[in-house]
Amino acid sequence: GAVVSQHPSRVICKSGTSVKIECRSLDFQATTMFWYRQFPKKSLMLMATSNEGSKATYEQGVEKDKFLINHASLTLSTLTVTSAHPEDSSFYICSARSPGTSGGNEQFFGPGTRLTVL
Amino acid sequence: EDQVTQSPEALRLQEGESSSLNCSYTVSGLRGLFWYRQDPGKGPEFLFTLYSAGEEKEKERLKATLTKKESFLHITAPKPEDSATYLCAVRSGGSYIPTFGRGTSLIVHP
Repeated sequence: GAVVSQHPSRVICKSGTSVKIECRSLDFQATTMFWYRQFPKKSLMLMATSNEGSKATYEQGVEKDKFLINHASLTLSTLTVTSAHPEDSSFYICSARSPGTSGGNEQFFGPGTRLTVL
Repeated sequence: EDQVTQSPEALRLQEGESSSLNCSYTVSGLRGLFWYRQDPGKGPEFLFTLYSAGEEKEKERLKATLTKKESFLHITAPKPEDSATYLCAVRSGGSYIPTFGRGTSLIVHP
C-alpha cells in the first residue's frame, strides 16, 4: 500500500520560534498533498491543499502567512509554523493522494506530528 | 455542502459482540465514501473505498456496505485490538477533497 511519512513525530518549541514539518510519500508520487490539524477527540480539520509546483490553497480561516506550505517535489511537502504560539499546539497530519489506486480517490495519511509550544 | 454524520459517537463492546457503525451522508454526486481507522496519537489508516450503492468490501473482521444515504461498518466478533476511532469521509462532484465525519470511538473490552 501507499506509505506516507512525517518528520518529526513530536516537537516541543518555545513561543516565537518556527517549526518545520516534513511530509513524504515514500512509494508513490503525489501531485496533491493535504495538511490537517486535529484537536483532542475532534475530527480532522483541513488546513490547506498543496499542489506540486504551485501555491497552496488554504481553507477559510487558516492564516497563510502563519502556516507556510511548500510542495517542491512530487514526494515532499513541508509545513512551517512561523512564530509559533501556545495556541498553535496541536496534532498536525499530512496526507497524500495516490493516483494509482481505484480511480485515484484515496488519501493516505502520515503518522502525524505532535507540536507543543511552550 | 457535503455533510457526514457518524453514529454513535462512542461504542463499547465486549470481545466477540458484533455491532455496526453508521455513516450517514448528504452529497451532490457521490464520488467515493471512505472508511479510516485512527489509533490515538497516530494518523488515520485507510480501510475501504466504496463507490456505489450495493457495494460491499471486507477486511478481516470488518465489512463496509453502502446505500444511497448511508454506509455501515460491520464489526464481527471484535477483539480488543479493534479498539480505535473509525472515521468516515465522502468525496463528491469535481472536488478531490473529502469531507470527514467526527468519527466513532470504539472500545472493545476483553
